[in-house]
Amino acid sequence: SQQGEEDPQALSIQEGENATMNCSYKTSINNLQWYRQNSGRGLVHLILIRSNEREKHSGRLRVTLDTSKKSSSLLITASRAADTASYFCAHPNSGGYQKVTFGTGTKLQVIP
Amino acid sequence: DAGVTQSPTHLIKTRGQQVTLRCSPKSGHDTVSWYQQALGQGPQFIFQYYEEEERQRGNFPDRFSGHQFPNYSSELNVNALLLGDSALYLCASSPDRGFPNVNTEAFFGQGTRLTVV
Repeated sequence: SQQGEEDPQALSIQEGENATMNCSYKTSINNLQWYRQNSGRGLVHLILIRSNEREKHSGRLRVTLDTSKKSSSLLITASRAADTASYFCAHPNSGGYQKVTFGTGTKLQVIP
Repeated sequence: DAGVTQSPTHLIKTRGQQVTLRCSPKSGHDTVSWYQQALGQGPQFIFQYYEEEERQRGNFPDRFSGHQFPNYSSELNVNALLLGDSALYLCASSPDRGFPNVNTEAFFGQGTRLTVV
C-alpha cells in the first residue's frame, strides 16, 4: 500500500497547549496536504505545502516538509476545544492528476 | 456557493442490493473524485472523473462504477453490495489545471454514510 502514516494515532492535550502531528509517506511527491475531519464527516483542506517548500504557516497552523526523510509535521499552536478532530496528511500520487493518497490519521482531542 | 453537496446523507441497504450515490461539485470545478472511508481509516481513492470519463481508478472491483454528467455532477454506483462496503463515501471536487500541475486543493462534501445489513 502507498498509504502514508500519521503519528501519533491519537493525541489528547489541554486547551492552550500545542499539538504536533507527524506524517510519513512512501513515494516522491509534488505536494503534501493536510486535512481535518470532524466526527467522521467531510474533510476540510487546511494547508498545502509544495515539494520545494520547507515550511508554511496559516494562522495557528505550521507545516514543515522534509522530502529527504519523506516526512511532514503539522503544528497547531494554542489549541482550542474546536480543534478536536481527526487530521490527515495526503499527497497526489506521482504521475497522476489529483488522485490523492491519504494517511491513516491522527485523532486529536483538546480538553477544555 | 454551496460547495460540494452529496446525497443522500445516510443510507441503509441490504446485502446484494445496488446503490447510487450522488455528488454535485463546487461551482467552477470540473473534476470529481470518489473516496471510501471505513471506520477509523483514512479515505481510499475509488476513481476520478473528468470530461465525463473515468480518468483514474484505485484498487476497487468492477462492482464500483461511476458516471459524470455534462454539468460535472457525478454518481457512484455499487452493485451486489457486501457487508464490507459499509463506509462513509466522500466526493471531492477540484479544478483541472492540466497535468502535471497537481498543486490544487480538493473540496470535500460531507459524505454519504452507507450501511449494508
